Formats: sequence, C-alpha cells, structure tokens
Amino acid sequence: EAQVTQNPRYLITVTGKKLTVTCSQNMNHEYMSWYRQDPGLGLRQIYYSMNVEVTDKGDVPEGYKVSRKEKRNFPLILESPSPNQTSLYFCASSFRQGSYGYTFGSGTRLTVV
Amino acid sequence: QKEVEQNSGPLSVPEGAIASLNCTYSDRGSQSFFWYRQYSGKSPELIMSIYSNGDKEDGRFTAQLNKASQYVSLLIRDSQPSDSATYLCAVKGNEKLTFGTGTRLTIIP
Repeated sequence: EAQVTQNPRYLITVTGKKLTVTCSQNMNHEYMSWYRQDPGLGLRQIYYSMNVEVTDKGDVPEGYKVSRKEKRNFPLILESPSPNQTSLYFCASSFRQGSYGYTFGSGTRLTVV
Repeated sequence: QKEVEQNSGPLSVPEGAIASLNCTYSDRGSQSFFWYRQYSGKSPELIMSIYSNGDKEDGRFTAQLNKASQYVSLLIRDSQPSDSATYLCAVKGNEKLTFGTGTRLTIIP
C-alpha cells in the first residue's frame, strides 16, 4: 500500500530533551515536507526537501532540523524542544513539488511540558 | 492579505443539499489548486485537484476554478453526514504549496 508512515503517533516529552519524529514513504516521491498544524493557524511548512541531500526552510523552521540521506526517509529533529513546539505534525510527500498534491502521514501529536 | 483565504465557518448544510466552499488566493501566477478533506484529529486527504479554468467533476464533488477572479470553489452534492469535516484549500505558486486555514463543514441529518 502506498503510504507515508510517521512515528510516533503521540509523544509527550520534557523541555530540552532531544527528539526525532520519523517519516518514511514508499512511493519513490522526490519531494517531502514537514508541517505543523495549530488551531486558527492552519498548516504551516517547517522544512521541505526537493530530493536527496537537498533541504530548505519553510515558513517556521526555527527550533527544527531535518535531513534527507535517503529518498524514502525525512526525519524531523527537535534538538531542544520547548512548549511552543507543542503541536500536531504532519509529514507529506509528492512526486514533484506540489504539482500532484501531497500524500500526508497520519500525524504526530507532540506535547512538550 | 493572506495568501490563501477561506471562511473558517462553521458552515451548516442539511443532509441531501449542496454544500458550497470557497477559497481565494493572492498569487496570480498560481498553477495548481487542490481541495483536501480533514476529519478531526486525522491527516488531510486529497479529494480534488484542478489546473485550468472551469469545472471538474468527480462523483459528488465539483471543483471550480476562475483564475481571473482568483477563486476556487468546491461543491458537494447530495451532502452526507460523512462529509462533515474541515476542508482545506491549497494553492501552488512558483515555489510552494500554501494551505488555507480551512472551512469546517457540518452536515445536519
């Protein structure tokens, strides 16, 4: 089944404790992206990757890191999480940058206390 | 001005009626337009894409695009309770896909 797999689905952590949210797609998509979704603010892009070893900042990149060492994987790293990073996170992928629509992962609900 | 604007709703529509959702965008160079459906706590799901002016129909859904007026709409015919969700409009400009904040639709049985 073609899909984007995110893990974990739920995560509660403490301020400052490094964490990684994994994202993997099995559709051979070139483009991958991370979004956070907050009430009233909609989906905001954190980082995106046009292809392996090519990443760039989205609209809200502060406090996040990404890497794209393999085509299928695009992990999101929070080096020192803070409470304002409490949010619902989505990974998405596309054959090309947005031209064909995105396939989204199931989401990760992160709470930082 | 927001890049992609939607009325946040909630929009309440009786079961069996037509639901009409609207979206305006600011970038005249936008090329691709999408509608996503998102149930509460779930991920967005692509339901329609449209690339040229006019109407595009898929089952009970019709997407309408008017580039001159910079608006996109989604019509849902014979609305069902299962259509109750938030509908996100997304617009692709030169570099990225930008989402609206969504319209919450409630179908009243």
